[in-house]
Amino acid sequence: QVQLVESGGGLVKPGGSLRLSCAASGFTFSDYYMSWIRQAPGKGLEWVSYISSSGSTIYYADSVKGRFTISRDNAKNSLYLQMNSLRAEDTAVYYCARDEGGDWFDPWGQGTLVTVSS
Amino acid sequence: DIQMTQSPSSLSASVGDRVTITCRASQGISNSLAWYQQKPGKAPKLLLYAASRLESGVPSRFSGSGSGTDYTLTISSLQPEDFATYYCQQYYSTRTFGQGTKVEIK
Repeated sequence: QVQLVESGGGLVKPGGSLRLSCAASGFTFSDYYMSWIRQAPGKGLEWVSYISSSGSTIYYADSVKGRFTISRDNAKNSLYLQMNSLRAEDTAVYYCARDEGGDWFDPWGQGTLVTVSS
Repeated sequence: DIQMTQSPSSLSASVGDRVTITCRASQGISNSLAWYQQKPGKAPKLLLYAASRLESGVPSRFSGSGSGTDYTLTISSLQPEDFATYYCQQYYSTRTFGQGTKVEIK
């Protein structure tokens, strides 16, 4: 079955960096757009970034533009999010999700928690 | 950016009740709308897309409607497993989520 498993979350100091990974299985990864979405504790959902199937098209939310970089390795069925210059407001559960042609998200991974605190 | 406003932010209802959640976009989104259900500690789950198309495996008591800027999610007869938070999401221009509607037990 389709499965997405995130990893790489943890505690990091403000200004620090972290790289999240998402391992995909159960579908042809290279055929699909992929996205990162986050959810701050007790808050709603915020789309962060998406990448096209080939990696040629990338978009970011204004809140992370210039600090986060999305990438993918289709040979490894993996999605990544490099997060630099982290701020307290980046604290959230980060989900990867299969992106249906740049539209809706289905399915989602279980999420990985990123905590930015000194 | 397109803003999505959901209402109400929370509601209390009983099993068997008909529940309606509204999502309003700051501009027309041409039915480019999805609905998700999220239970505590879990990832969101897709319910509907293209405003009214039911995702495979989702019970038929869930339905969606709307056009232009105004959309609704309706649960025709609330079941115990439906108590959760519901989010709308537009994909007409990049992506934006509504702030969520928490459905609680009355």
